[in-house]
Amino acid sequence: DTAVSQTPKYLVTQMGNDKSIKCEQNLGHDTMYWYKQDSKKFLKIMFSYNNKELIINETVPNRFSPKSPDKAHLNLHINSLELGDSAVYFCASTPGGLAGAIYEQYFGPGTRLTVT
Amino acid sequence: SQKIEQNSEALNIQEGKTATLTCNYTNYSPAYLQWYRQDPGRGPVFLLLIRENEKEKRKERLKVTFDTTLKQSLFHITASQPADSATYLCALLSSYNTDKLIFGTGTRLQVFP
Repeated sequence: DTAVSQTPKYLVTQMGNDKSIKCEQNLGHDTMYWYKQDSKKFLKIMFSYNNKELIINETVPNRFSPKSPDKAHLNLHINSLELGDSAVYFCASTPGGLAGAIYEQYFGPGTRLTVT
Repeated sequence: SQKIEQNSEALNIQEGKTATLTCNYTNYSPAYLQWYRQDPGRGPVFLLLIRENEKEKRKERLKVTFDTTLKQSLFHITASQPADSATYLCALLSSYNTDKLIFGTGTRLQVFP
């Protein structure tokens, strides 16, 4: 059983397109995150949700819009894709509440987005 | 400015030796520090967590130390094996902002037989 799953694993698209990445966790966790890992392997938080409510929005361009239909799912929609959006996007979850980051994080396998 | 720094160069060691990875931070007041392992093409996997009032934590062949005076955490793998080859990330939780982890850039460890 996959704890945190993401789809798709790979996404190749052209500049200007709109795309979505989906994430699901079956761990019963309250808090979910989106991270971006660039080509230098730097992992940076983008968003966090706690029980479907947005907690963190880390100065991410508003072309990125997360949506959490329920606490087990956190999707990421990206409008008007740019070359600089190429990266690996990771979803993660933790069992804690608003201070969920004090607990270990469970990461998904990542989605490699390539914008051409 | 705030920084979390790990050795950017790969660490190459021989099987059986102890690997020591360093995580230095500046301008943070960390409440917790976590270590993760990341294999190519995969998401990070949690290894250990150490709190600011703890000096040392162990789990099997892994040991983490936390020195808030030196602003440094050391991550040790004893009796290293080729299967330990991976990138290791440290992540810090600030006592002023417990909403998010701040990750270092990671150190790649290569263990040779």
